[in-house]
Amino acid sequence: GQNIDQPTEMTATEGAIVQINCTYQTSGFNGLFWYQQHAGEAPTFLSYNVLDGLEEKGRFSSFLSRSKGYSYLLLKELQMKDSASYLCAVRDGTGGFKTIFGAGTRLFVKA
Amino acid sequence: DSGVTQTPKHLITATGQRVTLRCSPRSGDLSVYWYQQSLDQGLQFLIQYYNGEERAKGNILERFSAQQFPDLHSELNLSSLELGDSALYFCASSVEGLGYTFGSGTRLTVV
Repeated sequence: GQNIDQPTEMTATEGAIVQINCTYQTSGFNGLFWYQQHAGEAPTFLSYNVLDGLEEKGRFSSFLSRSKGYSYLLLKELQMKDSASYLCAVRDGTGGFKTIFGAGTRLFVKA
Repeated sequence: DSGVTQTPKHLITATGQRVTLRCSPRSGDLSVYWYQQSLDQGLQFLIQYYNGEERAKGNILERFSAQQFPDLHSELNLSSLELGDSALYFCASSVEGLGYTFGSGTRLTVV
């Protein structure tokens, strides 16, 4: 089966850097995604990692270590609009390519 | 507009009833995924279709069924509705290997 763990909530200050961690267990790892979801809205794709290392995209970076079953999303120069839930999701290639989502980390950015 | 269209946006119905949710994927995407998100819960994977064929199944209840038609739109049928089925139902589409694009969701309220 699959298991994805990430912190429930985090608080950070505008302009700061925050790191959201995610650990996972899956039998058929085929990539890891990060999504942003504002309350009541659809998730939007942020990043995709399938090989170990860091992927940088503007203010957002995502890191993956497959051997450790670990990823993090790094948000720099935080803005108030970054207040949202951040969902870690693992793609499992066993029996079809389904993507399983973690419960999400609710990030509060304060002034 | 993400390119994934879901209808209706809101649906209120009584317990025991049956409803159909509709999704049109983004142009060119062959895969359609259905997810359920209850209040303050993570996204729960229901089912995936690829080019008309069921490809992967999650924890979808027997009261729920889905299909993908030749024009690639998909329908999720929910029957014998219970109060606990109240949730946001998201449809997503993708090109295999890339991130999902989500529709804006259907908010189902069972009273």
